[in-house]
Amino acid sequence: SAVISQKPSRDICQRGTSLTIQCQVDSQVTMMFWYRQQPGQSLTLIATANQGSEATYESGFVIDKFPISRPNLTFSTLTVSNMSPEDSSIYLCSVGVKGGPEAFFGQGTRLTVV
Amino acid sequence: EDKVVQSPLSLVVHEGDTVTLNCSYEVTNFRSLLWYKQEKKAPTFLFMLTSSGIEKKSGRLSSILDKKELFSILNITATQTGDSAVYLCAVNQAGTALIFGKGTTLSVSS
Repeated sequence: SAVISQKPSRDICQRGTSLTIQCQVDSQVTMMFWYRQQPGQSLTLIATANQGSEATYESGFVIDKFPISRPNLTFSTLTVSNMSPEDSSIYLCSVGVKGGPEAFFGQGTRLTVV
Repeated sequence: EDKVVQSPLSLVVHEGDTVTLNCSYEVTNFRSLLWYKQEKKAPTFLFMLTSSGIEKKSGRLSSILDKKELFSILNITATQTGDSAVYLCAVNQAGTALIFGKGTTLSVSS
């Protein structure tokens, strides 16, 4: 298993500003992912964070809006840029652990944009 | 298009009832199916299923996979108010992230 620390836990932000969410894992992992969960909805994959290269974004998500960094195998950040109320969601990082496909999740970040 | 469909979307039961949650899928390169419980923000892992017909059990929860008919069920017996949560089904494909269903919201009343 993996222990994932995600912060901040929650934030209330003004529209037009940006927020960076951090995800720290207690061991080196190959795969790191960022998900969004809008109110009342299931999890939607934003992107796969690749170590040492640009993230791989899913359809409907772009790097300018959701820049992602992954400087090493234990850490990643997701930035939500130029926020609008529609960005109000829970953001989750998850990891895939070698030898087991089950994904472990960080505690999540509840973002409210006003 | 790959998809995971859960039913029902919501369910209200009384304490002590037994419930069955359903998950059907159509995906390429299937590797495993996973069940999660989500109470607040972070989903917590319940089961991973890779083989048909082998039941996984944990206390009052159990799950089984049918790879021929492409579905899985999650059973909860003698439900308690603490079982109230959103239950998520997800499918793991080779080398990719999980594909999630919309979830089943379970409410257990005392």
